[in-house]
Amino acid sequence: DAGVIQSPRHEVTEMGQEVTLRCKPISGHDYLFWYRQTMMRGLELLIYFNNNVPIDDSGMPEDRFSAKMPNASFSTLKIQPSEPRDSAVYFCASKRDGSYEQYFGPGTRLTVT
Amino acid sequence: TQLLEQSPQFLSIQEGENLTVYCNSSSVFSSLQWYRQEPGEGPVLLVTVVTGGEVKKLKRLTFQFGDARKDSSLHITAAQPGDTGLYLCAGDRSGGSNYKLTFGKGTLLTVNP
Repeated sequence: DAGVIQSPRHEVTEMGQEVTLRCKPISGHDYLFWYRQTMMRGLELLIYFNNNVPIDDSGMPEDRFSAKMPNASFSTLKIQPSEPRDSAVYFCASKRDGSYEQYFGPGTRLTVT
Repeated sequence: TQLLEQSPQFLSIQEGENLTVYCNSSSVFSSLQWYRQEPGEGPVLLVTVVTGGEVKKLKRLTFQFGDARKDSSLHITAAQPGDTGLYLCAGDRSGGSNYKLTFGKGTLLTVNP
């Protein structure tokens, strides 16, 4: 079975540009999470969804960040406008209700110049 | 302030040696997880501990949850080069539903042949 799929794997963009990261969770999983990982701050939860509904977005850094989950098999994380401090690896993870285990995707490495 | 402090940050040892890494907090967690992350990949769950004092073994890896559920340790016996990676602990702040994980910054382990 395919795991969590993220695209693109690498993104290089200029400051001020819009960036869209994509995630396909594991089929049948009820929860989807977006994380950001940096050397300074480690792995941080940005937002999570349950059954396509955003439940907690308290980790989203500011209004430039937005996330959507239009259906059970697709989610996007958008940064508009992007800034150099947004450079990080962004992970998507999913899990089944009642299970402890979160399954992570391979991540998107974002570089904003 | 990091909610979960991991130590040491970096560890480089020779194949066959034993090691212990630590995950400490002043907060109580309903469960705690250990993940291993390899370069270019997302974290992969190793174990979940939920009961204070609990000890779990996974081949050469031994995980312990503190009695007060505020800390945990991971002990590796006879380390092998394949154990190389970033070891992350993560505590559940969602009251047992595991929706909201707080991650430590990790211990980067290198096992030299």
